[in-house]
Amino acid sequence: ELKVEQNPLFLSMQEGKNYTIYCNYSTTSDRLYWYRQDPGKSLESLFVLLSNGAVKQEGRLMASLDTKARLSTLHITAAVHDLSATYFCAVDMEGGATNKLIFGTGTLLAVQP
Amino acid sequence: GAVVSQHPSWVICKSGTSVKIECRSLDFQATTMFWYRQFPKQSLMLMATSNEGSKATYEQGVEKDKFLINHASLTLSTLTVTSAHPEDSSFYICSARSRYGGETQYFGPGTRLLVL
Repeated sequence: ELKVEQNPLFLSMQEGKNYTIYCNYSTTSDRLYWYRQDPGKSLESLFVLLSNGAVKQEGRLMASLDTKARLSTLHITAAVHDLSATYFCAVDMEGGATNKLIFGTGTLLAVQP
Repeated sequence: GAVVSQHPSWVICKSGTSVKIECRSLDFQATTMFWYRQFPKQSLMLMATSNEGSKATYEQGVEKDKFLINHASLTLSTLTVTSAHPEDSSFYICSARSRYGGETQYFGPGTRLLVL
């Protein structure tokens, strides 16, 4: 059974600081997704990582994928309050064959002024 | 960009009644749609995969007779919660993948269900 774990579950950080969210998964997959969810809202797609070593950046967020280590990271640079949200990673359950996603536990990010 | 809508956005119903939730891809065709459930402060759990013109594939532990899924066209999938009970209260989110490929799933805005 595929398990996807995120660390930390909750992150409180000050504006201007840097931090990394980790996403570990338990089986082989070369497709990993990062989403953002604001309270009471649905999911916003942030990144799609499709191969080992993939790195994508958008604004203050950068995501990377190491399929050998079964690890993805979401790095936050110089955090601002607008980044406060819950972040989920999701892994394709069957390595891309079906696009069935298994979501991580989520990381609630609170950026303090 | 690709847009997925859900209707209704929220619904309150009495225990024992059935509720239908619609998921539409507005500007693209989706051969496959997915239904997720999210309880407060928890992650999304995949309930079923909905394929146009065929029966849905349910994940382990999801009752197919309770959660009826119909994918009648390339732009519409429906989830019917039959004989709803308070424990079915949740946030239901659908997503769709374009018929023409691409790696991104587009998520609907979600439907909040409260069963009294």
